[in-house]
Amino acid sequence: SQQGEEDPQALSIQEGENATMNCSYKTSINNLQWYRQNSGRGLVHLILIRSNEREKHSGRLRVTLDTSKKSSSLLITASRAADTASYFCATDEGYSTLTFGKGTMLLVSP
Amino acid sequence: DVKVTQSSRYLVKRTGEKVFLECVQDMDHENMFWYRQDPGLGLRLIYFSYDVKMKEKGDIPEGYSVSREKKERFSLILESASTNQTSMYLCASKRQNTEAFFGQGTRLTVV
Repeated sequence: SQQGEEDPQALSIQEGENATMNCSYKTSINNLQWYRQNSGRGLVHLILIRSNEREKHSGRLRVTLDTSKKSSSLLITASRAADTASYFCATDEGYSTLTFGKGTMLLVSP
Repeated sequence: DVKVTQSSRYLVKRTGEKVFLECVQDMDHENMFWYRQDPGLGLRLIYFSYDVKMKEKGDIPEGYSVSREKKERFSLILESASTNQTSMYLCASKRQNTEAFFGQGTRLTVV
C-alpha cells in the first residue's frame, strides 16, 4: 500500500527558479526520506528528516516536515537543468521497510 | 564507496522461464529489499529481508520468491515468468532508521 503521495505529479520550470514538491502520508513515521531518480536508473538518497525535526537543509535542498499535518515538502533552490529527474518521498515507520510515493517528475529547462 | 550491485541491467526472458535476479551489497546492512517500479505506480515492495534466511512479504509478493543465504546477497526469483512481470526491478539495502542504498536497477522484459 502506498503511504506517501507526492504533489504535483509533474513540474516544469526554468533554470534558476525554485522547485517545490509536496508529500503527504497517512500513518505515524520514524523518519521521512527524499530520493531522486534519473531516467532508467536506481534511486539516490537526498535527505532524511526525523519525526522530531521540522526542517533540514542540504546544499540547495530544504526539507520541512509537519507531523501534525502528515506532510513534507522538498524545496530545490536555483534549479539547474541537471536537476531534471523524478523525486520520491519515502516513509520509514520503524519496521525496517520504506514505503514510497509515486513521485514527482521535475523538468528544468535551460 | 558504498555499493549495491544488481547482476543485470537488462534482461529478456521467455514466458514460463524461471528467472533469478541477484543483488549484492557491501555495507553489512541487515535489511534488504526488492521493489518493482512501473509507470504511474511508483515503487512497490515485493519482499524484504531483515536478516539471513529471514524474509517478509511486501505488498505484491504473488509470483515471486526470495532467498537470502548470506547477509550480503538477496535474490529475487520469478518461478514462472509472465508478461505482466515485465518491469524495472530495484534492489536496496539499509540499516534500521537510516537511508536506503539502491542498485542500478534491472529492466526485465518477459516475451
